[in-house]
Amino acid sequence: EPEVTQTPSHQVTQMGQEVILRCVPISNHLYFYWYRQILGQKVEFLVSFYNNEISEKSEIFDDQFSVERPDGSNFTLKIRSTKLEDSAMYFCASSERVTPRNYGYTFGSGTRLTVV
Amino acid sequence: GENVEQHPSTLSVQEGDSAVIKCTYSDSASNYFPWYKQELGKGPQLIIDIRSNVGEKKDQRIAVTLNKTAKHFSLHITETQPEDSAVYFCAASKGTGGFKTIFGAGTRLFVKA
Repeated sequence: EPEVTQTPSHQVTQMGQEVILRCVPISNHLYFYWYRQILGQKVEFLVSFYNNEISEKSEIFDDQFSVERPDGSNFTLKIRSTKLEDSAMYFCASSERVTPRNYGYTFGSGTRLTVV
Repeated sequence: GENVEQHPSTLSVQEGDSAVIKCTYSDSASNYFPWYKQELGKGPQLIIDIRSNVGEKKDQRIAVTLNKTAKHFSLHITETQPEDSAVYFCAASKGTGGFKTIFGAGTRLFVKA
């Protein structure tokens, strides 16, 4: 079964440093997303991306965040200057174009970001 | 603002019993309601979903019901098994294709053998 792949699985970074989280969505999917989950809390929307541009973003997704699809397969989330409160599990997801059957997301296994 | 409330936060059942998780949503424009199962160390996995033009949907031991008037939707798991133990999230969105999905806070289900 096709998977969304995320790397690294765990990243530890110093406060103020830049991090890039990487994702390889499912190859025939057209919509890409980043969500985060602070330990023990709900899954929160960050951003959605389609046709090489942001479709929607949340209040969390401020100027410190950016996304990019640098080639035909990777989808990255960059945090420019990490804060302690950015520590969370970050999930990448992808979904197909709207079809009668497949509406839901396929999530990756996540990257646990720890800011120290 | 948009919100999805989910309860209970924890549910413990005996193997073979049924489990019910209930959610309410605030945005009346929501028309797509997926349910995700998250096992330890993994990402959420879609297990079933329902669109607003349908009141009920069933897939083997799992069923979802939707009351659009009351903005309620529920997940029903029958004949629970230990491998059903996980965190379950309800969610709501205004559709697919780039729309954000709002998640509930999750229900930790324990199925005791």
